[in-house]
Amino acid sequence: QQQVKQSPQSLIVQKGGISIINCAYENTAFDYFPWYQQFPGKGPALLIAIRPDVSEKKEGRFTISFNKSAKQFSLHIMDSQPGDSATYFCAASPYNTDKLIFGTGTRLQVFP
Amino acid sequence: GAVVSQHPSWVICKSGTSVKIECRSLDFQATTMFWYRQFPKQSLMLMATSNEGSKATYEQGVEKDKFLINHASLTLSTLTVTSAHPEDSSFYICSASYRRGTYNEQFFGPGTRLTVL
Repeated sequence: QQQVKQSPQSLIVQKGGISIINCAYENTAFDYFPWYQQFPGKGPALLIAIRPDVSEKKEGRFTISFNKSAKQFSLHIMDSQPGDSATYFCAASPYNTDKLIFGTGTRLQVFP
Repeated sequence: GAVVSQHPSWVICKSGTSVKIECRSLDFQATTMFWYRQFPKQSLMLMATSNEGSKATYEQGVEKDKFLINHASLTLSTLTVTSAHPEDSSFYICSASYRRGTYNEQFFGPGTRLTVL
């Protein structure tokens, strides 16, 4: 069964802190793992993505950690800012398709 | 680059009418587009995959005759909600595949809020 589990459902972080969101998948037939950021009333925006041939990818304050054996991947937001307050979705794409299976989402609130 | 637009951004219609939503890739050609619906505070649920020049592939549980999808060109896909009812009220979002290097990435439109009275 193709499913992506995401936690926590909501997260409150103080400005300057680290936000960590975790995702786990059951099916090994995924080869692309993106993270999306969505503000209320807007479409999701691609934040950062990783392929299973690397264990970590960093872009600015955003880092994806990928553990292939555990079938888990996580998003770390360093130096969290109030402007980062949004809903974050992880996703996974099955091999040889462009389809995305989305996680349930995490609502992040960063307080000054 | 990789900008996707949707029109309209919101629409209110009476029960029983049909509503068409357009999805356009503005600065690239997209052979594949996707349609999602999202209920408040929930995740995105894939409705169908749309390929240019061919019939759309619908996900299990999505009514083909109710949600008509047409992908007439490499930059335009449309979703028509036929005989809309209040339970069809939702946020509809499209995305388009964009080739970056050796892989395709999905870029999303801003969404269309449909309210059926």
